[in-house]
Amino acid sequence: DQQVKQNSPSLSVQEGRISILNCDYTNSMFDYFLWYKKYPAEGPTFLISISSIKDKNEDGRFTVFLNKSAKHLSLHIVPSQPGDSAVYFCAASGGGSNYKLTFGKGTLLTVNP
Amino acid sequence: DAGVIQSPRHEVTEMGQEVTLRCKPISGHNSLFWYRQTMMRGLELLIYFNNNVPIDDSGMPEDRFSAKMPNASFSTLKIQPSEPRDSAVYFCASSSGTGGSETQYFGPGTRLLVL
Repeated sequence: DQQVKQNSPSLSVQEGRISILNCDYTNSMFDYFLWYKKYPAEGPTFLISISSIKDKNEDGRFTVFLNKSAKHLSLHIVPSQPGDSAVYFCAASGGGSNYKLTFGKGTLLTVNP
Repeated sequence: DAGVIQSPRHEVTEMGQEVTLRCKPISGHNSLFWYRQTMMRGLELLIYFNNNVPIDDSGMPEDRFSAKMPNASFSTLKIQPSEPRDSAVYFCASSSGTGGSETQYFGPGTRLLVL
């Protein structure tokens, strides 16, 4: 039973355009959401997060949007750069196990020059 | 600054052998996590330590898996005996807090192949 779902295994965009990565969750107890980026042969690295009390958080080219009623969040990258090509994981925490991150299976983003 | 250090980076072993994975968390971090990544199940939390004490081991698949944290700078994940289905990438992560809002810093992972 996947509580965090990333339904698109892959996404390809042109350099300079917007990349939108989506994530859905089922556990209404989740109250903190994170995006991690992973390059091959490396561990995931933290990218951006959002608390459930907000609906948007921005950090440079990266913006995360949260729609609690739809249990949906998205990561926008504008403009996309070839160096952004990586696997992006959505993760969530909250409820009784605040330390535990539940990850989605990831979306492979390819930014073409 | 050194990040989370894991060794070995790659391990190939035969079914039935004992495998020990090692992790050195970031200095000053008091929480340590072991994760396993597979194609089928994605990234799963195996065990969580806080201040060297195992807090949650509900993700450990079975008794063949054990983890220890004898001090704040070292942890091991042991599989004995290993089986082909244990083949995966194992990540160690550390953080400075206890909540999910604290950023977890991941090591590069150990890629395990059990033949």
